[in-house]
Amino acid sequence: AQKVTQAQTEISVVEKEDVTLDCVYETRDTTYYLFWYKQPPSGELVFLIRRNSFDEQNEISGRYSWNFQKSTSSFNFTITASQVVDSAVYFCALKPPAGANNLFFGTGTRLTVIP
Amino acid sequence: DAGITQSPRYKITETGRQVTLMCHQTWSHSYMFWYRQDLGHGLRLIYYSAAADITDKGEVPDGYVVSRSKTENFPLTLESATRSQTSVYFCASSEFQGMNSPLHFGNGTRLTVT
Repeated sequence: AQKVTQAQTEISVVEKEDVTLDCVYETRDTTYYLFWYKQPPSGELVFLIRRNSFDEQNEISGRYSWNFQKSTSSFNFTITASQVVDSAVYFCALKPPAGANNLFFGTGTRLTVIP
Repeated sequence: DAGITQSPRYKITETGRQVTLMCHQTWSHSYMFWYRQDLGHGLRLIYYSAAADITDKGEVPDGYVVSRSKTENFPLTLESATRSQTSVYFCASSEFQGMNSPLHFGNGTRLTVT
């Protein structure tokens, strides 16, 4: 069975602070992909990143970085120098190799950046 | 513009009524999906389709019907709406089958069943 856990339901930070959103997953598959999506207040879901289970290199994109650790089944997302525009709900998701070609989502973390 | 569009954006209906949510994509993606988003549950898969005329159930299919007569359209019908179906519904598409193929989502339909 596939399961994604985002234990942080809500996080509030003051602008310019760094923040890390946790994601822990469970799967019996040896190959899989992990994804992060952003849902801003307008409601749409925006794809941010995907990561292959064989690639444990950290990835950085501007103020965003992702830390994938297979040993702890975690795929954490860090925003450096947070901005008000980062306020959103962030979803971590898992895609296994077989089945419906769909994503298994966590319950999301609502990030509020206070100006 | 190319993309995936859902209609209506908001819908209020009464218990027992039939309601259809529309989804249209211009990418010619093979795969299409319907999810519902509820607080505390994240997004859960209702139905998916691998191609025209091929559909299958997801995690929470009860009370829903889908069809896919054309590649670009994937309507979701609630045959007899219940209050428990009050939710935000997202349609998504994926270009191909593969772990690395991301899902692209529409803007969602917020459905309220009174």
